Amino acid sequence: EPEVTQTPSHQVTQMGQEVILRCVPISNHLYFYWYRQILGQKVEFLVSFYNNEISEKSEIFDDQFSVERPDGSNFTLKIRSTKLEDSAMYFCASSEVLTGTEAFFGQGTRLTVV
Amino acid sequence: SQQGEEDPQALSIQEGENATMNCSYKTSINNLQWYRQNSGRGLVHLILIRSNEREKHSGRLRVTLDTSKKSSSLLITASRAADTASYFCATDGNTDKLIFGTGTRLQVFP
Repeated sequence: EPEVTQTPSHQVTQMGQEVILRCVPISNHLYFYWYRQILGQKVEFLVSFYNNEISEKSEIFDDQFSVERPDGSNFTLKIRSTKLEDSAMYFCASSEVLTGTEAFFGQGTRLTVV
Repeated sequence: SQQGEEDPQALSIQEGENATMNCSYKTSINNLQWYRQNSGRGLVHLILIRSNEREKHSGRLRVTLDTSKKSSSLLITASRAADTASYFCATDGNTDKLIFGTGTRLQVFP
């Protein structure tokens, strides 16, 4: 069964360093998303991406964040200068169409900023 | 309360019993989805119900949707220890994004 895959599963980084989280969405899906979940809190939307551009972003997704689809299969989230409060589980998701179908999530990358 | 609030926050039952979780939301929706999350793991999609549907079944899962009350319920019948997880509802709110609730932590004792 097709699935969304994310790498790495766990990343530890020093405050101020750049990190890139990687995702391979399901191959025939057109919409891609990043969400995050701070420990013990809700899953929060960060950004959606369609047709090689951001379609919606949240207040959390400030200038320190960027997304890219560098080739036909990968979808990345970059955090330029990490802060302690960026520590969270980051989930990538994809869906076939925008609404009316399921969004499938990856297993997540646990980012720890020290 | 915020969009996508589940209750109860925590639920403990014995294997074989039914578990019912409720979700309330505030804005209009196209669909509502339920997800399961095992501790520290990813979100597993369980079921999607569209705004024009009132009830949907998938195996031991039964979901209802009442758009007039802006609420949904997830029923897991004949629960198993393996059903132990957190369960979240997520609404689309006519936007690109899913808005998740706070979740219900279900513990099923063997």
